[in-house]
Amino acid sequence: GAVVSQHPSWVICKSGTSVKIECRSLDFQATTMFWYRQFPKQSLMLMATSNEGSKATYEQGVEKDKFLINHASLTLSTLTVTSAHPEDSSFYICSATKDPIFEAFFGQGTRLTVV
Amino acid sequence: AQTVTQSQPEMSVQEAETVTLSCTYDTSESNYYLFWYKQPPSRQMILVIRQEAYKQQNATENRFSVNFQKAAKSFSLKISDSQLGDTAMYFCAFMTQGAQKLVFGQGTRLTINP
Repeated sequence: GAVVSQHPSWVICKSGTSVKIECRSLDFQATTMFWYRQFPKQSLMLMATSNEGSKATYEQGVEKDKFLINHASLTLSTLTVTSAHPEDSSFYICSATKDPIFEAFFGQGTRLTVV
Repeated sequence: AQTVTQSQPEMSVQEAETVTLSCTYDTSESNYYLFWYKQPPSRQMILVIRQEAYKQQNATENRFSVNFQKAAKSFSLKISDSQLGDTAMYFCAFMTQGAQKLVFGQGTRLTINP
């Protein structure tokens, strides 16, 4: 199989601070990772595509200066929520696709609460 | 743009019954993949079953099977002999071979009652 680990699983931060979430592929190399946001009782909304060694591709309506994505290696992508506000509180999930089988593997998710 | 539609927000059946979840999609692509994911209360996304669009045969994984109707752009999930552990949110999802990003439907909340 393939394992994707996301850390932390939950975090509480003060309004105005920044929070970093890590997504690691543990047993395979992932040139592409994806970040999703999920509101309660709703579906997953794609925020951005993280490409190793290049800039992330953001979906329409997602503020790239608010949600900084870095894909520094073939096994690690990070999402930094900058100057967090209560409306950024949500469940964030990452996934990585293992080539060439075209199957996405998901991290456990991170519940972010901004107070 | 690709869209995925799940028209059943909630479903409820008795244990051991069979239940079918509906999903339709819209795309102009010819090479793509379809998935059903399960999200239990832990919120971990778990792959239930996948279907390659170029395969005519419907995918099957133990108690889970799909009815893939490519011309109708329909991809339903059938759960046989349902179990209490099947209680979860179920998401239908679509992936193109090129972009590799998943587009999800709105989800169906399935409850299996004892």
